Amino acid sequence: GAVVSQHPSWVICKSGTSVKIECRSLDFQATTMFWYRQFPKQSLMLMATSNEGSKATYEQGVEKDKFLINHASLTLSTLTVTSAHPEDSSFYICSAGGWAEATDTQYFGPGTRLTVL
Amino acid sequence: GIQVEQSPPDLILQEGANSTLRCNFSDSVNNLQWFHQNPWGQLINLFYIPSGTKQNGRLSATTVATERYSLLYISSSQTTDSGVYFCAVTYNQGGKLIFGQGTELSVKP
Repeated sequence: GAVVSQHPSWVICKSGTSVKIECRSLDFQATTMFWYRQFPKQSLMLMATSNEGSKATYEQGVEKDKFLINHASLTLSTLTVTSAHPEDSSFYICSAGGWAEATDTQYFGPGTRLTVL
Repeated sequence: GIQVEQSPPDLILQEGANSTLRCNFSDSVNNLQWFHQNPWGQLINLFYIPSGTKQNGRLSATTVATERYSLLYISSSQTTDSGVYFCAVTYNQGGKLIFGQGTELSVKP
């Protein structure tokens, strides 16, 4: 149980294009989903928290117009990187919470590696 | 905000050795989790352990909430244990996880 998938697992795009990343909880309903960013050899940095049917809450310093988050259902959240630039290249990871052992336990997707040329 | 510090930052072990990883946190927490990030980037839940001791095979963890630290024990290490170990805490109802900087473990055959 508690499986979270992400798609795509990696993507290469040209500067100026937009990229959408999907995060799905496969075997449970996630009341809350989280999006993280991780640079090489660094820890995870929380970007935003999304609850189904409501607007995402962004962390300080994260541009909400650049990183669009939609949480349309209890099993799907999407992150769209708009007008991507090389500095947006990173490893993006989602997590889903609200299952079983404790409501604040999070389960992580496998991540999406974004490279912007 | 709350600070989470992990030590050591790097650790190299010979296969079969034991190790202890430490996580200190600066304030009271609701929850503490240990994760293993494998070389492909996947984070794997190891323990949900806001207090007490848990064991799962060769791994065990202890959290002493009153003293604001947690320990992860790895016994009889294997090469597949290599990767980065993170501890992360939540301290409010929002459930946001605050991650430590991780311990990068390399187990040599």
